[in-house]
Amino acid sequence: DVKVTQSSRYLVKRTGEKVFLECVQDMDHENMFWYRQDPGLGLRLIYFSYDVKMKEKGDIPEGYSVSREKKERFSLILESASTNQTSMYLCASSPRPPNTGELFFGEGSRLTVL
Amino acid sequence: AQKITQTQPGMFVQEKEAVTLDCTYDTSDPSYGLFWYKQPSSGEMIFLIYQGSYDQQNATEGRYSLNFQKARKSANLVISASQLGDSAMYFCAMRESSSARQLTFGSGTQLTVLP
Repeated sequence: DVKVTQSSRYLVKRTGEKVFLECVQDMDHENMFWYRQDPGLGLRLIYFSYDVKMKEKGDIPEGYSVSREKKERFSLILESASTNQTSMYLCASSPRPPNTGELFFGEGSRLTVL
Repeated sequence: AQKITQTQPGMFVQEKEAVTLDCTYDTSDPSYGLFWYKQPSSGEMIFLIYQGSYDQQNATEGRYSLNFQKARKSANLVISASQLGDSAMYFCAMRESSSARQLTFGSGTQLTVLP
């Protein structure tokens, strides 16, 4: 069964802390994504990566960075967490085209910044 | 402009009845794909159904069907014979050929199935 695993389901951090959200997929997918989900706003793309060490900004990259040192792992980094980054974070992956482009999601990481 | 618009923040349906969740999209790409995902309260995103812009037939997957009206740029999800387990948030999403890898999501519709 295909699997995207996010390291933490729930995190509570303090303002100014550095936060790492880890995501691992076991499907040998080339593409990986980080989305943020907020009520009334749906899912918004933060960053994505289509290859190891490659990254592209999404719609809301400010305040975030990413790292993809290995194909199966894509990390989201909040250099200095702020309260407005309290949110649900969803990691996803997809194989290289041609295909429908369906994304396979992890279970999400709910981050609270105090 | 919003690329994906879901105008129903919340919907209620009686168990065993059919329900339609609305989705309109905006793109100038001739080639695109439309997706529906379900998100139960547990948080995971479950893929339901896919429609390609060149597909002649409306997509169907079990109790789910996609009412694709290309000229109107709408891709409504129809759930037949609703079940209590269908209560969830539903998201419409689009992949454009110009941005081949990522999906753009709507704001979602919270569906509640009443016993």
